[in-house]
Amino acid sequence: SAVISQKPSRDICQRGTSLTIQCQVDSQVTMMFWYRQQPGQSLTLIATANQGSEATYESGFVIDKFPISRPNLTFSTLTVSNMSPEDSSIYLCSVRAPSGRIPYNEQFFGPGTRLTVL
Amino acid sequence: AQKITQTQPGMFVQEKEAVTLDCTYDTSDQSYGLFWYKQPSSGEMIFLIYQGSYDEQNATEGRYSLNFQKARKSANLVISASQLGDSAMYFCAMREGILNTGFQKLVFGTGTRLLVSP
Repeated sequence: SAVISQKPSRDICQRGTSLTIQCQVDSQVTMMFWYRQQPGQSLTLIATANQGSEATYESGFVIDKFPISRPNLTFSTLTVSNMSPEDSSIYLCSVRAPSGRIPYNEQFFGPGTRLTVL
Repeated sequence: AQKITQTQPGMFVQEKEAVTLDCTYDTSDQSYGLFWYKQPSSGEMIFLIYQGSYDEQNATEGRYSLNFQKARKSANLVISASQLGDSAMYFCAMREGILNTGFQKLVFGTGTRLLVSP
């Protein structure tokens, strides 16, 4: 399985500020995914980040609010801009990665970034 | 329409007993993948098991097995010999069109909270 790390693990931010979340993978991956989990809810895909191209955003998510960078095959950042209390969520990075048994079908998640906006 | 349905908001089981967590799905694709994840209170998403729609045998991973009934569109997770550490939220998810690299999104159910008692 892939080893995925995220920074920061948690943060408390003021309304109107921005936070950049980093995701690092221990192997090269084509696609990295950013998910959001609002309190008590399930996970929702924000965007898919490919190296060398613009991220693809899901309906309801826009680049101005959630800019994403993907400078290489092992790293990505998600910025939550102009935050409001409604942005309080867990943000998770995810990758499809080779496993010993079924390459590229299994999907793994980072430990998440727990964001609270006051 | 809901793509993934988990009808059990909460389940209780005694330690060492087996428990089945239900998941039904809706897709018109012939190729798809089904996932189960465990989310403890820490928030991380732990990959448990994967079943491809063309896999002839039910997936198993240690104490976890997936009861895949394609005609019924169900993919129930069976946890054998429950342990106290199994107490967590469990999410079922689906990726459609696994043979088409353009379809990458995981769609999640609403989750089932499992509580294992001594």
